[in-house]
Amino acid sequence: GENVEQHPSTLSVQEGDSAVIKCTYSDSASNYFPWYKQELGKGPQLIIDIRSNVGEKKDQRIAVTLNKTAKHFSLHITETQPEDSAVYFCAASLDKIIFGKGTRLHILP
Amino acid sequence: SAVISQKPSRDICQRGTSLTIQCQVDSQVTMMFWYRQQPGQSLTLIATANQGSEATYESGFVIDKFPISRPNLTFSTLTVSNMSPEDSSIYLCSVLGQASGGSTDTQYFGPGTRLTVL
Repeated sequence: GENVEQHPSTLSVQEGDSAVIKCTYSDSASNYFPWYKQELGKGPQLIIDIRSNVGEKKDQRIAVTLNKTAKHFSLHITETQPEDSAVYFCAASLDKIIFGKGTRLHILP
Repeated sequence: SAVISQKPSRDICQRGTSLTIQCQVDSQVTMMFWYRQQPGQSLTLIATANQGSEATYESGFVIDKFPISRPNLTFSTLTVSNMSPEDSSIYLCSVLGQASGGSTDTQYFGPGTRLTVL
């Protein structure tokens, strides 16, 4: 079955700098790659997603890139702000969503 | 996007008892799921709640321990039976819904139920 690896497990960046989280997947048939943000005490919130027919997608300060050949995808957050501090999960899906282990992002003042 | 509510938001229970968690969605959805998230961990799918038939359980999860009901397209319950401290987790309801302006389904999560078993 599908296996999703996510790195790093923890990431600290200065406010205003960029943050990058990387994931790899094992099943080349996976065709949908969502990213979720989970704040303390809340459920995961979808922040951006990409499908396998697209290589890059951007939504304001957030972008996701997908390399199908290498089977990896990344989340890029630019101009980070304190409210970006949270746990971020990548996921890969064909018929069911498989999640990575999460990245705890700290935005330092 | 679908709006999902869960009740209770949190509970503290005694070993050996059972707790039923409710999930309500503001629109009809085809697929509903239940996940478990142990402290500091990722999300693990427990089962897919099927409307009008038995739930489909993932490996490691059984109906006797986690009975699920789904009487209609907007509501589901998950029961955690004969609880032990190892069942202390966040339990999350999730649905497939259509994103605003989108043509394909996207998975959304409820706020979760934080369960502590003593």
